Order: sequence, then C-alpha cells, then structure tokens
Amino acid sequence: AQSVTQLGSHVSVSEGALVLLRCNYSSSVPPYLFWYVQYPNQGLQLLLKYTSAATLVKGINGFEAEFKKSETSFHLTKPSAHMSDAAEYFCAVSDQGTNAGKSTFGDGTTLTVKP
Amino acid sequence: DTEVTQTPKHLVMGMTNKKSLKCEQHMGHRAMYWYKQKAKKPPELMFVYSYEKLSINESVPSRFSPECPNSSLLNLHLHALQPEDSALYLCASSQEVGEISPLHFGNGTRLTVT
Repeated sequence: AQSVTQLGSHVSVSEGALVLLRCNYSSSVPPYLFWYVQYPNQGLQLLLKYTSAATLVKGINGFEAEFKKSETSFHLTKPSAHMSDAAEYFCAVSDQGTNAGKSTFGDGTTLTVKP
Repeated sequence: DTEVTQTPKHLVMGMTNKKSLKCEQHMGHRAMYWYKQKAKKPPELMFVYSYEKLSINESVPSRFSPECPNSSLLNLHLHALQPEDSALYLCASSQEVGEISPLHFGNGTRLTVT
C-alpha cells in the first residue's frame, strides 16, 4: 500500500523566511502526489500536484515542490513566508489500480509564521 | 468561495436523532467523496461514489448511510450516532475516480453529537 510521511508536525518560521515542509512517500509504482492546505474552519485546498510530467512542480500562492525519486521525497517550499501562509498542510498520495479513488494523507504539518 | 457546497455548516444532534448532511457540486465531476476529520488529524475516507454508484465503503458503521441522487448531489444520512462521531465531515469531488485529478473539498459540516 502507498503511504506518505510528513516529518515535523509543527514548523515555525519568521515572515520572509524560507518555508520547507517535508514529505516522504512509500510506493511500489510511480506515485501521484499532492499537497493540500487547510485554513481554520475550512476544507482542504489543492496547492499542487505531481503526475510525472515534471519533477519541479509549481503551485498556487508561490509554493513549489520537487519530486526526488532517489530520496522518495516531495518536499514543499516557498522562498518567502507570508503571515497568510499560516495553516495546516497535508501531503497525500493517490492510490491506483483496484484502490483507485483512495487518497492517503500524511498526518499534517502546522505552519506558524511569526511577524 | 469553494465550488463544493456543504450544508449545514454546523449541526448539533442527539443520539436518537435522524439528520442529513448535503453536498452539491456543479463542476461536472463524476466522483464524489465523504471524509471524516477529527481535530488535528488528516481526513479519513468514508465513501466514494463514481458515476452515482457506490464504489468504496471503508467499513463505515451502518449508522452512516450515503446517497447520491444525481451526479451533482451527495447526501449523508445520520441515525443513532455516538458522541465519538463528532467531527468535521468533508465532502469532495473529482473529475473521475482512478484518474490523477485532485480532490475539490467543501468547507465541511461540523457535527456535534450530544
């Protein structure tokens, strides 16, 4: 079964600093990977997705992620944090084949941005 | 604003009540989902509908009963719930099941069972 692990349940950065949220995947086939963001009292919103077309994926709000097969990683980055980036971030892998329709989410990382 | 609309936003119900959660999308998506999310946890898949047919049931107790009346609507009927069922219930849709289309989530219904 495919899975993702998010390293660090809480990340705190200063406004303007680099944001790095870590996600490692476990999959026996090329995975479909996603990053979602959840603001308080809202549902999840797609930030970006990896579907094997390009290893560096650009998303909304200035976020991007790089797929590294050798490291089985799909870390999320943003060069300069903004106060509005404070939220919960989830990495997810989409199952395929007979399990199509199931998305497995990581445990989430809470991002705090300090002024 | 989200393109997946869920009603009500909040619901408080007793353990003997019957209530329904509603979800609507007009993006032409053919897959719809129910997720349950507890505080500080990731969403947990409950049900998947593909072309209005139930394709996945993640061993959810029968006190939760999903219904997909048409391709735009998804309901979750609730009966005889337990306090531990209190959570945020999220509806989502995607273009298809089995494709690499991402999930589009509603803002959820926050359910409290007393």
